Amino acid sequence: EDKVVQSPLSLVVHEGDTVTLNCSYEVTNFRSLLWYKQEKKAPTFLFMLTSSGIEKKSGRLSSILDKKELFSILNITATQTGDSAVYLCAVGLTGNQFYFGTGTSLTVIP
Amino acid sequence: GAVVSQHPSRVICKSGTSVKIECRSLDFQATTMFWYRQFPKQSLMLMATSNEGSKATYEQGVEKDKFLINHASLTLSTLTVTSAHPEDSSFYICSACGQPATNEKLFFGSGTQLSVL
Repeated sequence: EDKVVQSPLSLVVHEGDTVTLNCSYEVTNFRSLLWYKQEKKAPTFLFMLTSSGIEKKSGRLSSILDKKELFSILNITATQTGDSAVYLCAVGLTGNQFYFGTGTSLTVIP
Repeated sequence: GAVVSQHPSRVICKSGTSVKIECRSLDFQATTMFWYRQFPKQSLMLMATSNEGSKATYEQGVEKDKFLINHASLTLSTLTVTSAHPEDSSFYICSACGQPATNEKLFFGSGTQLSVL
């Protein structure tokens, strides 16, 4: 059975801390892994990863995929209160199927 | 970037009424659309997958007669919650993916908060 597991489920940090969010998966017909940030409404796209070992970076956020060990991490450095959100990991399969993890709820305290 | 429009953003209705939620892809053809339900501080729960011109595929435990999904065109899918009850109150969100240029990503609508009194 295809599954996507995120950890931790929730996290509380202070501003300025660095956090690492994890996403592991067991799926057949892997095509891509996507990270989204969800605040109050629609998830917003962060990264799409398809190849192992290539870091994607956007400002203080970065992500990398390991297709051998079947996981990805999302790093956020120098966290700010605006980073507080639920971070969702989704794995895309061939045939337009997507599986979402449980999400990690991040709270950044001033 | 690709845009998905969902409306209404908020609905308050009486128990027993039906509510229709629309999801439109504005600048791409959405071959597949997904409908999710989300409870506070939880992840997205997939309800059904719809492909244009064919019947939706529902996830286990989702009543297809209660949650009617129509995907009649490549830019529009609708979810109708029939005879809504208070336990149907939730945040409903759609997403879409499309032709090769866009089909590797999911694009989300802004969601609909349904409150059934």
